[in-house]
Amino acid sequence: EVHLVESGGGLVPPGGSLRLSCAASGFTFSSYWMHWVRQAPGQGLVWVSRINSEGNSPSNADSVKGRFTVSRDNAKNTLYLQMDSLRAEDTAVYYCARGGSNRWYTEFDSWGQGTLVIVSS
Amino acid sequence: DIVMTQSPDSLAVSLGERATINCKSSQSVLYSSDNKNYLAWYQQKPGQPPKLLIKWASTRESGVPDRFSGSGSGTDFTLTISSLQAEDVAVYSCQQYYSTHTFGQGTKLEIK
Repeated sequence: EVHLVESGGGLVPPGGSLRLSCAASGFTFSSYWMHWVRQAPGQGLVWVSRINSEGNSPSNADSVKGRFTVSRDNAKNTLYLQMDSLRAEDTAVYYCARGGSNRWYTEFDSWGQGTLVIVSS
Repeated sequence: DIVMTQSPDSLAVSLGERATINCKSSQSVLYSSDNKNYLAWYQQKPGQPPKLLIKWASTRESGVPDRFSGSGSGTDFTLTISSLQAEDVAVYSCQQYYSTHTFGQGTKLEIK
């Protein structure tokens, strides 16, 4: 069974940094594209970042470009999201989600429970 | 970016009745080379992550009850629940994966 567990969320002041992790199990992590999706309180889902199976082709949404960095460690079966220069509008639950095995343009078939990031002074 | 717009924003349906949720994309998500619509539907219950229900606009995910069905092509899509059950109360969202990934704003489904 696919299992994704996010961690690293918390309260951070504007301009601060946070690193989220997503521990994966139950599947061959190194074979899948992985994504980060966020959901602000009471709002809809917004795609944030994706990274290919090898970890050498990351991509971010325009809203976080230059501030967030997605990476992965296939030896540790872990996905990361380094978030810098955080703003109040980055406040959200952050989910990691599994994408496709050989391309980025797929649905997300498994999701973690999410980790809450609050940006506030 | 492709904008996904759902209607209605909220919906109240009686138990056992049909529920219909619409999703419209700002441009076609039908890929001509494989004739597939790059469109998925998700269900999200309170305090839970989204759950994939349907991919390729009409392919039900394994384990999803057959009362859930997806239809449409190009820019207009529909999620139908044929006979609403109490456990179907949730927010439903469409997603296109034709060009990056964008989601609709969500439709809140309640019992009347």
